[in-house]
Amino acid sequence: AQTVTQSQPEMSVQEAETVTLSCTYDTSESDYYLFWYKQPPSRQMILVIRQEAYKQQNATENRFSVNFQKAAKSFSLKISDSQLGDAAMYFCAYRPMNRDDKIIFGKGTRLHILP
Amino acid sequence: DTAVSQTPKYLVTQMGNDKSIKCEQNLGHDTMYWYKQDSKKFLKIMFSYNNKELIINETVPNRFSPKSPDKAHLNLHINSLELGDSAVYFCASSHTGSYNEQFFGPGTRLTVL
Repeated sequence: AQTVTQSQPEMSVQEAETVTLSCTYDTSESDYYLFWYKQPPSRQMILVIRQEAYKQQNATENRFSVNFQKAAKSFSLKISDSQLGDAAMYFCAYRPMNRDDKIIFGKGTRLHILP
Repeated sequence: DTAVSQTPKYLVTQMGNDKSIKCEQNLGHDTMYWYKQDSKKFLKIMFSYNNKELIINETVPNRFSPKSPDKAHLNLHINSLELGDSAVYFCASSHTGSYNEQFFGPGTRLTVL
């Protein structure tokens, strides 16, 4: 069965600094998608970034980038120039590439931004 | 304009009652989902519908019954509520296909007393 593990329940970073959130996953599939979702205190789930497993190039979205290591089954999220609005729960998620498109979420990392 | 809406946002009820949560999306998506987020923030899928057809049905008690009257709506009815049903329930929608982003509703916090 596929699993997603986020080993850091909480992290803190100084405003304007860079922080990396870890995520590992387990799957026997070769084609899949990986996502990072953000859940601020408002509860709204927001997609931050996604990565196709068949692409070697790491995805980037403005201050957010990933380090995707397929062989190691690792998918970390780097947030540069951290801002107060980045404070949230961050969920790593895996989704197989088939019609039964169920997303499997990790347990989340709560990110605190220190002013 | 609200993309995925859920009503109500908060629901407090007694054990044993029956309640429904409604979900509507105006994005033209053909797939809709229900997720449960427990008190430890763990988010797990419960159901998925594609074009009104049940696609995913995780190990959920049969007290939970989703109903999709059309592609834009996926309601969740819960019978005989139990204390352990207390959680935040999220509806989501997407176009068919694993790559496509799932858009989440604001969540419904259900508290069973």
